[in-house]
Amino acid sequence: RKEVEQDPGPFNVPEGATVAFNCTYSNSASQSFFWYRQDCRKEPKLLMSVYSSGNEDGRFTAQLNRASQYISLLIRDSKLSDSATYLCVAGQTGANNLFFGTGTRLTVIP
Amino acid sequence: DAGVIQSPRHEVTEMGQEVTLRCKPISGHNSLFWYRQTMMRGLELLIYFNNNVPIDDSGMPEDRFSAKMPNASFSTLKIQPSEPRDSAVYFCASSSRGGQDEQFFGPGTRLTVL
Repeated sequence: RKEVEQDPGPFNVPEGATVAFNCTYSNSASQSFFWYRQDCRKEPKLLMSVYSSGNEDGRFTAQLNRASQYISLLIRDSKLSDSATYLCVAGQTGANNLFFGTGTRLTVIP
Repeated sequence: DAGVIQSPRHEVTEMGQEVTLRCKPISGHNSLFWYRQTMMRGLELLIYFNNNVPIDDSGMPEDRFSAKMPNASFSTLKIQPSEPRDSAVYFCASSSRGGQDEQFFGPGTRLTVL
């Protein structure tokens, strides 16, 4: 079983739509969580960290559900520039490493 | 500030040749990671270093792969001999506070082995 699993998509949504991604992590000892964004033929870049209390950054909201071991990302008012692959990431105490999901592909359509 | 620097950005080589990929982490970061990304397998961790010491190389696919970090500002990933199935994008990433903290990725090296 993979450490982090997410729906690969693709998600095709119209501009202005709200879209949500979920991912699950297998190790309950995971302590740090992130969402990364990767544009085509580019490197992954941090979009936002995910805190236990949830956090919001403009149109983006990330939430963590430890009981169910899933992480979510909500994008409101989608823009064409949001088109990318979104990677869910979890880190484990003692592992000294991050585990990346395979990514969810989002395409925002005009 | 300069981010993670990788070279070359693109490499095309023939099967059997030696390939060396290079990485300069962000100054002050004490953890360095090498990843490989393909469409089929996504982002795979190959090896990571903490304070220049290899901590976990269980992701290195075969003995043909080797990595070194002679000092805090330089690391290499070598493939010898290369094979067509090694074709992928190889990313280097660094982190300031260990593996659980945010990792900053370099632009990657796109390797094609013919």
